[in-house]
Amino acid sequence: EIVLTQSPATLSVSPGERATLSCRASQSVSNNVAWYQQKLGQAPRLLIYGASIRATGISDRVSGSGSGTEFTLTIGSLQSEDFAMYYCQQYNNWPLTFGEGTKVEIK
Amino acid sequence: EVKMVESGGGIVRPGGSLRLSCEASGFIFSDHWVYWVRQAPGKGLVWVSRINNDGSLTNYADSVKGRFAISRDNAKNTLFLQMNSLRAEDTAVYFCVRDQGLGNPGLDAFDIWGQGTMVTVSS
Repeated sequence: EIVLTQSPATLSVSPGERATLSCRASQSVSNNVAWYQQKLGQAPRLLIYGASIRATGISDRVSGSGSGTEFTLTIGSLQSEDFAMYYCQQYNNWPLTFGEGTKVEIK
Repeated sequence: EVKMVESGGGIVRPGGSLRLSCEASGFIFSDHWVYWVRQAPGKGLVWVSRINNDGSLTNYADSVKGRFAISRDNAKNTLFLQMNSLRAEDTAVYFCVRDQGLGNPGLDAFDIWGQGTMVTVSS
């Protein structure tokens, strides 16, 4: 099973600043990584798939990059609606696995 | 509108059973693999089970194998999860999820999530 390690566990950012989240895979997953945003009490929402492709309706302030074992989610100019939990997921190998999440909080 | 709506959650005693349902609408249900993903209180996301388009292939996490059974009725656009021999550690919100269907079958991102249904196992 591929283990995904997200860092940091918590990221404190001021509104208007940029947030950079990391996801590292225990072995190569090519570019088969997705990122999800989850707000308290809500279902996760797909942000990015294919490591860098924005899902339908996702702001262009959100971008993803990486391949192999290192992946990054960047959220530019943080707005109030961006403060949430973020999970990465690999779907290159069965079983699909999720990272433990990064909480983006207001500084 | 594309959506998936779960039902059937509740409070059950250890050893008991529950059957979750998930009704899909706004898309061709039989075109997609679908999953159950759960999230224990304050914890992360964990896949529980999946089923392919026509219901001929199923997979289960080790933690639920032999106790849970996934099924689907494509004529009624509905996904099910029969949960038996429930344990305290099964307490979680259960989400039904659709994979995008863009990549390899069964290896794809999840683009549609239900709102979740809470299952609490407690004496």
